[in-house]
Parts: sequence; structure tokens; C-alpha cells
Amino acid sequence: DTGVSQDPRHKITKRGQNVTFRCDPISEHNRLYWYRQTLGQGPEFLTYFQNEAQLEKSRLLSDRFSAERPKGSFSTLEIQRTEQGDSAMYLCASSSSHISYEQYFGPGTRLTVT
Amino acid sequence: QKEVEQDPGPLSVPEGAIVSLNCTYSNSAFQYFMWYRQYSRKGPELLMYTYSSGNKEDGRFTAQVDKSSKYISLFIRDSQPSDSATYLCAMSASGGSYKLIFGSGTRLLVRP
Repeated sequence: DTGVSQDPRHKITKRGQNVTFRCDPISEHNRLYWYRQTLGQGPEFLTYFQNEAQLEKSRLLSDRFSAERPKGSFSTLEIQRTEQGDSAMYLCASSSSHISYEQYFGPGTRLTVT
Repeated sequence: QKEVEQDPGPLSVPEGAIVSLNCTYSNSAFQYFMWYRQYSRKGPELLMYTYSSGNKEDGRFTAQVDKSSKYISLFIRDSQPSDSATYLCAMSASGGSYKLIFGSGTRLLVRP
């Protein structure tokens, strides 16, 4: 097992475009989290899934953001009509439900909106 | 006021020094306390976690939690240049999502 993977690693897009990121968690982990990190700050929680169910969303997750985990394995995070304020590192983490606080992060997707 | 406060640094120490990194928090519901290391433009790497109060040691790293003071620490002994990174504390309440609440990170530079 190679850990949590994310794709793409970098994305540059123009304001107003839609973007989609993918996260593949550690295979035996049934919990998956999305966080956002801006320069000089720690990661901030966006949303989490247990299996395919999205159980919590942060108020940071505006209507332009949507996340899915259709088969309880990989997850996607889509941002519609991107804004310059969406520029950040988007991090995915996974954990088992038995040790939920022990979260392992992927390398992140760095989004730049021009 | 943020739930978790962490001095951003940078903290510059000579190789071999003992490093002390700290966080304070305001939410008494936090039960799990983590330290992550993050190299530039990489994802955070879990170093250690502690449940409730007490100490935990792993090699050159020691984590301490004082819930009465709402204060946690990470000590690094015999620091190495490869320890140069940003160190993030994170905390979680018990139950529910176990979402992590992070400090803003402390930049550490270990000089050869």
C-alpha cells in the first residue's frame, strides 16, 4: 500500500472554470476527509465520508463545492465557477473508523486560479 | 480567537539542540492531540498522537499534553537538519467526524 494519493498534483485554471480533484485513500480505510490549506495556515476541515455517506460538511464548503465518494473507495471534489479565493492546497486524508483521529494525508492538489 | 494557537516562528536552532514546540487551545472537548510534520509543498505527515493527558515518547520525539492548562508540547532531541520543516499541532474531539482542528504551524530551521 502506497498511502493516500491525489490527482492532479497541480492545477492552474482561469476564474469561472470548473475543476475536479481525485483522492484515493489507503485501501482499508473507510473514512475519508477533505481539508483546504492556504499559505501560512494549517489545514481546515471541509467535509468527510464514512464509506459512501457524506456525514459532515463545513460551512467553508459553499454551494460551488461538491464532493462524492460513490463506491466508498475514491472520492472527488469539484469546484464550480472557480474564484481567485479558491486558490489553495486541497488535502485528502483517510483513517479507519476504529482509529478515526489517526488521519493520513495525501500529497495534496495545489490549485491556482488566475 | 482561534481554537488552536501556535507560534508561527521561524524557530532557528543549531544541529543537536533540543527543540520545544507548543500549542494552546480553548476547546475543552478536545481529547486527541496530534503532531504533524510538513515539508514545503508536501502533505502533512503524522508524527505522533496522544490521547488525553500525559507523555508519549517515540525515538527522538516526545509529546506532552497538559489538559488542565490546555497546552501541548512536542520535544525533539538531537535535532537534525532533516528536521527542518513546519510542525503542525492538531486536535480532535471524541465522537462524530473526529475532524482535526489545526494550529497554523511553526517553521523550524535546524542549522548544520
